[in-house]
Amino acid sequence: QKEVEQDPGPLSVPEGAIVSLNCTYSNSAFQYFMWYRQYSRKGPELLMYTYSSGNKEDGRFTAQVDKSSKYISLFIRDSQPSDSATYLCAMLGMDSSYKLIFGSGTRLLVRP
Amino acid sequence: EAGVVQSPRYKIIEKKQPVAFWCNPISGHNTLYWYRQNLGQGPELLIRYENEEAVDDSQLPKDRFSAERLKGVDSTLKIQPAELGDSAVYLCAISGERGETQYFGPGTRLLVL
Repeated sequence: QKEVEQDPGPLSVPEGAIVSLNCTYSNSAFQYFMWYRQYSRKGPELLMYTYSSGNKEDGRFTAQVDKSSKYISLFIRDSQPSDSATYLCAMLGMDSSYKLIFGSGTRLLVRP
Repeated sequence: EAGVVQSPRYKIIEKKQPVAFWCNPISGHNTLYWYRQNLGQGPELLIRYENEEAVDDSQLPKDRFSAERLKGVDSTLKIQPAELGDSAVYLCAISGERGETQYFGPGTRLLVL
């Protein structure tokens, strides 16, 4: 079993829809939770990170962490075709390793 | 990506050949990482540097992979000899003191034939 599970998709939605992307994890030591966006043939781009449980909002993006359920989400409001990409969740423990553990990514397609 | 330059962007080699990748952080960052991303997967850490020192290389296949970071700035990752299973994207990332904010370069896409 992988430490971080993520549905690979693809997830296809019409422009303007609300998108929900999710990851589950098994390691209760994770304290930092990140979302990266990766366009085809590009490196991952850090979108947001959250420490411990709670919500964080940045423009059209909202990240949620529920540590009791070991479940994290990224919501995208008013989705745009330019949001079409692969979204990777990543997690980090409190030890000094700085080793990000990634999910396998969810492909998102926003149809015009 | 603007903070990390990687070269080459693409490389095609035959198996058993050597190959090297370069990572050039534009601005100074103490911590540098090499990740490998297989098709349809998330990146996996190969090695982490704090300045010139490799502080975590537990995931690096040391029989064929080597890395160095001279003067605590640029870094190279080498594979010798390459195997078919090494085909992947090799990503370099940097961070400051806070490891949760890691910024990635565009990667080098390697194809071993």
